[in-house]
Amino acid sequence: QVHMVQSGPEVKKPGASVKVSCKASGYSFSYYDLTWVRQAPGQGLEWLGWISAHNGDTSYSQKLQGRITMTKDISTTTAYMELRNLRSDDTAIYYCARDLAHQEYCDNSTCHVIAYWGQGTLVTVSS
Amino acid sequence: DIQMTQSPSFLSASVGDRVTTTCRASQNISTSLNWYQQRPGKVPNLLIFATSKLQIGVPSRFSGSGSGTDFTLTISNLQPEDFAIYYCQQSYRPPLTFGPGTKVDIK
Repeated sequence: QVHMVQSGPEVKKPGASVKVSCKASGYSFSYYDLTWVRQAPGQGLEWLGWISAHNGDTSYSQKLQGRITMTKDISTTTAYMELRNLRSDDTAIYYCARDLAHQEYCDNSTCHVIAYWGQGTLVTVSS
Repeated sequence: DIQMTQSPSFLSASVGDRVTTTCRASQNISTSLNWYQQRPGKVPNLLIFATSKLQIGVPSRFSGSGSGTDFTLTISNLQPEDFAIYYCQQSYRPPLTFGPGTKVDIK
């Protein structure tokens, strides 16, 4: 059974950095891309980017380009999302999620479908 | 970027009703359209991918249709657990944008 378990809540000051971890289990880690999504309080879902668990290739939201880095550690089957120079509007629940389809076998309509979500990590940015 | 819009943003319905919500993309996304359900205080849940394919474990009262720029999510025989927010998302080209959501509330 696929499980995505994220690190605990964080409180940060403006200008600081945060690194959220996402421990994956129950599947072959190297074969499925991982996506990060956030949700500000009372707001909708915002796509942050993805990382290929196979080769580490990334695609980031242009809005966060330069402040966000996604990495992964195959040996511990853990993905990380670091966000730097935090602002108050970065306050949100951050979710990691595994894609639905094996990255070698997905097609245009099944690649990067977000299927298995972590429980979310609340990041609060406040002075 | 591909913009996603949803309508209505809010709808009120009763148990047993058939409800439909629509999602529109700002450009052709073929069938790369997914639907997620988010119950209050819960993690989003994949319902439908590739426009019309039901995720494993999702009840058959959920269905999706469309192609190109216009898509529809239909819930037949609405159940109490279906009162939630429904988001569409395009997975055609990054950034993989979500729609703003449709909240389905109890009448």
